[in-house]
Amino acid sequence: NAGVMQNPRHLVRRRGQEARLRCSPMKGHSHVYWYRQLPEEGLKFMVYLQKENIIDESGMPKERFSAEFPKEGPSILRIQQVVRGDSAAYFCASSPPQTGQETQYFGPGTRLLVL
Amino acid sequence: QQQVKQSPQSLIVQKGGISIINCAYENTAFDYFPWYQQFPGKGPALLIAIRPDVSEKKEGRFTISFNKSAKQFSLHIMDSQPGDSATYFCAASTTGGFKTIFGAGTRLFVKA
Repeated sequence: NAGVMQNPRHLVRRRGQEARLRCSPMKGHSHVYWYRQLPEEGLKFMVYLQKENIIDESGMPKERFSAEFPKEGPSILRIQQVVRGDSAAYFCASSPPQTGQETQYFGPGTRLLVL
Repeated sequence: QQQVKQSPQSLIVQKGGISIINCAYENTAFDYFPWYQQFPGKGPALLIAIRPDVSEKKEGRFTISFNKSAKQFSLHIMDSQPGDSATYFCAASTTGGFKTIFGAGTRLFVKA
C-alpha cells in the first residue's frame, strides 16, 4: 500500500520558467491538499481539492499559481513565471473520503529552487 | 483568529528527559488537534491527535495534554531518545472544515 507520492523530489527552475509539481494520493483517497513550507517555517495551507473540484483555494496566491485534480491521474500544482520567492518545499497530503480532512497523510515533498 | 502559536522554537533535551512543546489557539471552533513529526528531507507524519472532549491522550511515550478553557494543548515526550530528534508541528482543524492550521514548529534535539 504505497503512500502519497510526489514528483519530482527536487526541481530547479530559472526565473520566469514554469514549475509543475505532481502528487499521487494514497489508494482510495479522494481528498488532496497542497501546503508550502518555507525554510525554518511551518506549513502553510494552499489549496484543497477533490476529484475534478477545487474546494478551497484561499491559501493560493492569486496570480501564477493553479492546481487541479483530474478524474484520472495525479494532482498538479502549477507555478507559472516562477520567482525566487517561490523557492520552498511543497507538500501534498491526502485523506480518505470517510474521515474528511482530519487525518492527512503527507508525501515526501518537492523542493523547488528558483535560480 | 486562525493562528496556532507554538513554543519553544527549538528545544534541547538530554536523553531520558522529558520534552514539552506547547501550543495555543484562538478559534473555539477548532475541535481536532493533531501533532506531526517531521524528519529532515521527509514529509510530516501524524504522531498523535486529540479532541477537546478529553483532557489527555497517551500513546507510548507521547502524551497530549489539553486545556479547553485556556485554549492550550501540549505534547510531552517521556524518556526522550536521540531518535526523537525532529521538528514537531502542532495543528488545529474543525470537523468538516477544509483547513488544518499548523504551528510554526519546534526543532527538538535530544542529546545522547
